[in-house]
Amino acid sequence: KAGVTQTPRYLIKTRGQQVTLSCSPISGHRSVSWYQQTPGQGLQFLFEYFSETQRNKGNFPGRFSGRQFSNSRSEMNVSTLELGDSALYLCASSLWLAGASSYNEQFFGPGTRLTVL
Amino acid sequence: KNQVEQSPQSLIILEGKNCTLQCNYTVSPFSNLRWYKQDTGRGPVSLTIMTFSENTKSNGRYTATLDADTKQSSLHITASQLSDSASYICVVSSKAAGNKLTFGGGTRVLVKP
Repeated sequence: KAGVTQTPRYLIKTRGQQVTLSCSPISGHRSVSWYQQTPGQGLQFLFEYFSETQRNKGNFPGRFSGRQFSNSRSEMNVSTLELGDSALYLCASSLWLAGASSYNEQFFGPGTRLTVL
Repeated sequence: KNQVEQSPQSLIILEGKNCTLQCNYTVSPFSNLRWYKQDTGRGPVSLTIMTFSENTKSNGRYTATLDADTKQSSLHITASQLSDSASYICVVSSKAAGNKLTFGGGTRVLVKP
């Protein structure tokens, strides 16, 4: 079974531009979460989607948005890029078992390394 | 405020030796605690998941312990190998707020031959 895939793997943008990152979850997984990882802040939760609906959201500005499609694939968008948005963006998928939501194991993709110049 | 603190921040050990990583948390109400291994340039990979009632869980040479009373966890690596060089991240899930995950800052382990 293929793992979580993320595209592109590397991206270079300039300040003020916008970017869209894509995530394909493991087949059968219905929940997708996005994280930002930087050396200074570590891993920080962005948002989680399930059945095309955002279920949870972290403490990031409105420039960060996401969506999930009917096939569970997800995209996240960052508008008006800032230098501080340079980070590794990780996507994780899980099965989402009803009644065991807190135990669902997350499987991470390799990440998209975004550099903002 | 929910927090997860890991120590040490970094660690250098010789191949074949054992080491223990610490994780203290203030997340409440507690749901489960996970340890992840993250190789450089890759996404984290789950090592163990423990709920309130579990106080130890092993995955090969990795053994995690949990003391829910003192809100402490440890990850013990036995007979370290060069491939154990990675960052180890402690993550705690809260039953409140839709089971949000709180991440520790990680411990960077370097195994030297």
